[in-house]
Amino acid sequence: SAVISQKPSRDICQRGTSLTIQCQVDSQVTMMFWYRQQPGQSLTLIATANQGSEATYESGFVIDKFPISRPNLTFSTLTVSNMSPEDSSIYLCSVGSASSGTQYFGPGTRLLVL
Amino acid sequence: DQQVKQNSPSLSVQEGRISILNCDYTNSMFDYFLWYKKYPAEGPTFLISISSIKDKNEDGRFTVFLNKSAKHLSLHIVPSQPGDSAVYFCAASSFQGAQKLVFGQGTRLTINP
Repeated sequence: SAVISQKPSRDICQRGTSLTIQCQVDSQVTMMFWYRQQPGQSLTLIATANQGSEATYESGFVIDKFPISRPNLTFSTLTVSNMSPEDSSIYLCSVGSASSGTQYFGPGTRLLVL
Repeated sequence: DQQVKQNSPSLSVQEGRISILNCDYTNSMFDYFLWYKKYPAEGPTFLISISSIKDKNEDGRFTVFLNKSAKHLSLHIVPSQPGDSAVYFCAASSFQGAQKLVFGQGTRLTINP
């Protein structure tokens, strides 16, 4: 399985500001995913980030609010823009493994917006 | 529209007994199912998966059963141990290779000594 790290692990931000979350994987992977877990809720897929192409966003999520970069096969960033308290969530990146048929998750970034 | 549902938000089981966690889905296009365990302040950890061509998959203490006609799957943990106390999520995908996972709401399992 892949080892995935995220930075920061947690942050407290003021409304109207932006935060960029980093995701680093210890091996080269084609597919990376970004999820959100709002308080008391399930995990919801935000977007799929493939290296060399634009990220694909799920319904309800837009690039202006959640821009994603995928500069290489081991790294990705998710920016939460113009934050409001409703953006307070855990943000998780994951990587897919076609050979094992599963996804492995990072530890998550816990964001609180005041 | 909640395509994957875990109707029990919590479950309490005695140590050594069997824990049974249930999951229902509505989308008949789902053909791959996974179970994850999540501790507080950690990301979900993959436990076990099952393809729709099977009705059972076993890995140590963990067994997943799939009933396609009922659109229902369950995770059995035998015997339950205190370290199993966590939130369990089932997830489904209509893409082989576990892309685009749709998660249930989770069930908090507590194992009592």
